[in-house]
Amino acid sequence: EIVLTQSPGTLSLSPGERATLSCRASQSVSSSYLAWYQQKPGQAPRLLIYGASSRATGIPDRFSGSGSGTDFTLTISRLEPEDFAVYYCQQYGSSPLLTFGGGTKVEIK
Amino acid sequence: QLQLQESGPGLVKPSETLSLTCTVSGGSISSSSYYWGWIRQPPGKGLEWIGSIYYSGSTYYNPSLKSRVTISVDTSKNQFSLKLSSVTAADTAVYYCARLRDGVDGAAKYYFDYWGQGTLVTVSS
Repeated sequence: EIVLTQSPGTLSLSPGERATLSCRASQSVSSSYLAWYQQKPGQAPRLLIYGASSRATGIPDRFSGSGSGTDFTLTISRLEPEDFAVYYCQQYGSSPLLTFGGGTKVEIK
Repeated sequence: QLQLQESGPGLVKPSETLSLTCTVSGGSISSSSYYWGWIRQPPGKGLEWIGSIYYSGSTYYNPSLKSRVTISVDTSKNQFSLKLSSVTAADTAVYYCARLRDGVDGAAKYYFDYWGQGTLVTVSS
């Protein structure tokens, strides 16, 4: 079973700052099968990044994804007020086929 | 614009079966490029994949829930459904339906690009 560990659990930053979120896999994950989501309170998750580095439709270019193998990163270059939320990574691979990380909360400092 | 909408009881008694339906509008559930899935989120916790189905009826389940889960599809109604048996309080969660992108070999795929708004199901007597 592939386990995704996200760090930090909570990131306290100010608007305009850079956010760097980590997603580490217990086994190698294909970059083609790594995605990131944003979730705000009371809302469904929204796809941000797929294929480790491709932005989904309508996602601002301040969001970027990178990484390979077991280490993946979501970077928000300059935090806007609407970016404070919880972020999840997700992978497809061996059983269970689909797993999510535990999430990183980006909160206003 | 594709839309997904979950429907079903918001309250289920312990040991009974949870049943939810996801209605897809603005697109066909019979597209060869997509699977359809269920994901749940207990209050204040993270996301858990329950299972996915292809329009042909092929199913894939999370092993941790496999013995209690059945996912089915009705292409004539553009719907797919979830049944979770023998529920306990631990199954209390917001249940989401979502579209899972497939693709050609080598392409990025297996990500959820459209989600329903979610429905809270509480297991309580």
